[in-house]
Amino acid sequence: GAGVSQSPSNKVTEKGKDVELRCDPISGHTALYWYRQSLGQGLEFLIYFQGNSAPDKSGLPSDRFSAERTGGSVSTLTIQRTQQEDSAVYLCASSYRTGAYNEQFFGPGTRLTVL
Amino acid sequence: SQQGEEDPQALSIQEGENATMNCSYKTSINNLQWYRQNSGRGLVHLILIRSNEREKHSGRLRVTLDTSKKSSSLLITASRAADTASYFCATDGKAGNTPLVFGKGTRLSVIA
Repeated sequence: GAGVSQSPSNKVTEKGKDVELRCDPISGHTALYWYRQSLGQGLEFLIYFQGNSAPDKSGLPSDRFSAERTGGSVSTLTIQRTQQEDSAVYLCASSYRTGAYNEQFFGPGTRLTVL
Repeated sequence: SQQGEEDPQALSIQEGENATMNCSYKTSINNLQWYRQNSGRGLVHLILIRSNEREKHSGRLRVTLDTSKKSSSLLITASRAADTASYFCATDGKAGNTPLVFGKGTRLSVIA
């Protein structure tokens, strides 16, 4: 079946502009995660949605970052007033709730460049 | 704070040799996972080992877990040029679906 998809694959924007990144998780997966990866670094957790529960926003770096998940499926990560330090690859992942097992399936990522 | 720390940061070997990567973590875990990433894009899940398991195999992959030392190792046997990628360990400290905490990864280069 289809995997996790993300769009756009690349986004170049000017400092101060707002951007929206989209994630389509695997159908039936109740959990959705956003991570950020700067060049040569590991993944930094941003936000996590699980079913209808309130999202875990503990990883969002500032109030310029927000995310929504509509209808328990598609998610949008919005970055307002982008800064150059926001340049990174933004990765989305989804997983099926299986208790202690937590294999996450990743999308290909969106490479964001803020000029 | 970062949970997993991979070692070495970079590893270069000849095709056919074995590659060993290590991961250390700080807090108690439910499971530990290894992921592979090509060219800085999406990660692919390789193997998951639960906290009550000590060793697990999957094809040419062998993972060990030592919870007393809070460490894990990933062994790739008979490496191939196609194994060239970055490898990350990730830990999950709670039950259920929770965000994984990733290390910075080991960049493996397999030279043909």
